[in-house]
Amino acid sequence: ETGVTQTPRHLVMGMTNKKSLKCEQHLGHNAMYWYKQSAKKPLELMFVYNFKEQTENNSVPSRFSPECPNSSHLFLHLHTLQPEDSALYLCASSQDDQRPSYNEQFFGPGTRLTVL
Amino acid sequence: GENVEQHPSTLSVQEGDSAVIKCTYSDSASNYFPWYKQELGKRPQLIIDIRSNVGEKKDQRIAVTLNKTAKHFSLHITETQPEDSAVYFCAASRDTGRRALTFGSGTRLQVQP
Repeated sequence: ETGVTQTPRHLVMGMTNKKSLKCEQHLGHNAMYWYKQSAKKPLELMFVYNFKEQTENNSVPSRFSPECPNSSHLFLHLHTLQPEDSALYLCASSQDDQRPSYNEQFFGPGTRLTVL
Repeated sequence: GENVEQHPSTLSVQEGDSAVIKCTYSDSASNYFPWYKQELGKRPQLIIDIRSNVGEKKDQRIAVTLNKTAKHFSLHITETQPEDSAVYFCAASRDTGRRALTFGSGTRLQVQP
């Protein structure tokens, strides 16, 4: 598998469930990102990780809990979500090496989440 | 922080016509401006980018222009084809401090055959 992969591709969960989204990148990158994509906010950055350390949390509710065990894997743990959390969750990765270089982000295919 | 505004939100053109999408940014330290294309049901993919030391960049039918003084940049697509139909996102980032991309709100381009 090449590039950025995400599992599952589709997820339906109730408001009391606990589930996790998984992202894996095979590009040797050191930065990973979670985005929420909905009709209201087409590409909303949620979290940024550089070298496994969280460097950005854009005021995301605590019912979303990210985890980055290594530079290749990123998880998003979901707990007591609301129906308005239904959206496409996109993972991305990039090489962020501190040099003045462009930060092309490579996106995964996304997980379509429906909260009932 | 950076704020990127994108216009129009939707754009419909006839096949063969040109399409222009415009973005403005607020952070004068931003120096990298990519454009991503997202086809229906697909992931966003980089199509062209420009750095602040150049004013224009072309790649076949697409071009991007940058006006650093006015803090705006534009995507130009010439001789549009139905396969250009997609949502286009502009973005901006900087090399120091917060380096994550800030995306615009997207433009849905529809090319009518």
